[in-house]
Amino acid sequence: EAQVTQNPRYLITVTGKKLTVTCSQNMNHEYMSWYRQDPGLGLRQIYYSMNVEVTDKGDVPEGYKVSRKEKRNFPLILESPSPNQTSLYFCASSFTARGNEQFFGPGTRLTVL
Amino acid sequence: QQPVQSPQAVILREGEDAVINCSSSKALYSVHWYRQKHGEAPVFLMILLKGGEQKGHDKISASFNEKKQQSSLYLTASQLSYSGTYFCGTERRGGGADGLTFGKGTHLIIQP
Repeated sequence: EAQVTQNPRYLITVTGKKLTVTCSQNMNHEYMSWYRQDPGLGLRQIYYSMNVEVTDKGDVPEGYKVSRKEKRNFPLILESPSPNQTSLYFCASSFTARGNEQFFGPGTRLTVL
Repeated sequence: QQPVQSPQAVILREGEDAVINCSSSKALYSVHWYRQKHGEAPVFLMILLKGGEQKGHDKISASFNEKKQQSSLYLTASQLSYSGTYFCGTERRGGGADGLTFGKGTHLIIQP
């Protein structure tokens, strides 16, 4: 089944404790991105990747890192999480960067205390 | 710059029609429409790539006015299953690979 998976689905952590949210797709998509969703603000892009080893900042990259060592995986890293990073996070992928449907993962609800 | 969606929320009776608008301040390459149910991932509805293009399936359709940098989503004879939050996502012309910029969403509630 074609899908985007994320882990964990739910995470409660404390300020400053490094964490990684994994994202994997099995559709051989070149383009992957991370969004955060906050009430009333819609989906805002954090980082995106055009292909392996090619990443760039989105609209709200502060406090996040990403890597793209393999085509299928695009982990989101929070080196020192803070309470303002409490949010619902979605990973998405598409065949290429432009003009294609984006497939979303199920989401990761993160709470930073 | 996020595209602006209107209205922010709408409540309808089953069988009524709805229009959701999406407006951008930038020249657009494409407009995407997604629907999200509470607690779930956004689900793709359709993409419009050309100015003047209109698309639709079932009773949901959309149009794209490239000159006005606007798109509208039309829901005809709404069903209970249409409830959710609708997002437009825009790709700006000349924007490279920076992907979609989403509006803040329109909450649609369909009542029996």
